[in-house]
Amino acid sequence: EVRLVESGGGLVQPGGSLRLSCAASGFTFSSYAMNWVRQAPGKGLEWVSTISGSGGGTYYADSVKGRFTFSRDNSKNTLYLQMNSLRADDTAVYYCAKGSAATTFRTPFDSWGQGTLVTVSS
Amino acid sequence: DIQMTQSPSSLSTSVGDRVTITCRASQGISNYLAWYQQKPGKVPNLLIYAASTLQSGVPSRFSGSGSGTDFTLTISSLQPEDVATYYCQKYNSAPLTFGPGTKVDIK
Repeated sequence: EVRLVESGGGLVQPGGSLRLSCAASGFTFSSYAMNWVRQAPGKGLEWVSTISGSGGGTYYADSVKGRFTFSRDNSKNTLYLQMNSLRADDTAVYYCAKGSAATTFRTPFDSWGQGTLVTVSS
Repeated sequence: DIQMTQSPSSLSTSVGDRVTITCRASQGISNYLAWYQQKPGKVPNLLIYAASTLQSGVPSRFSGSGSGTDFTLTISSLQPEDVATYYCQKYNSAPLTFGPGTKVDIK
């Protein structure tokens, strides 16, 4: 059974930093692209970033480009999202999601974690 | 970037009714279109991918169609457990944009 468990969320001041983690189990982790999706309170889903199975390719939404860094440690089956220069509009539940196939794109998200809440406020 | 729109933004209808939700891409995306269901307070769940392929375990009352720029999600007979917000998503290339969502309620 695929399991994705996010951690690291919390309250941070504007301009601050936070690192989210997502621990994965139940599948061959290094074979799948992984993703972060966020959802602001009462709002819709927003794709944040995608990383290839090897970690060699990363892609970002314009809203986070240059501020967020997505990485993975395939030896630990763990994803990381380093978030810097945080703003109030980064406040959201952050989900990690697994791609359904080995390709980086052209694969929907077939498993999602429970999410971790990031609140950016003074 | 390709924009995704959905209509309607919300609907309220009776149990047993047929529900149709439309998703439109601003440029062609072939069939790289997924539909997700998010029940209140829950995590999104993949319903349909490749525009019309039902994800394993999803009830057969859900179906999808379309290709290129215009797509449809249909619930053939709405059930109380289908109360949720439904999102389409393009996944051919970055950015992997979601539509704004359609909230489905029971009248």
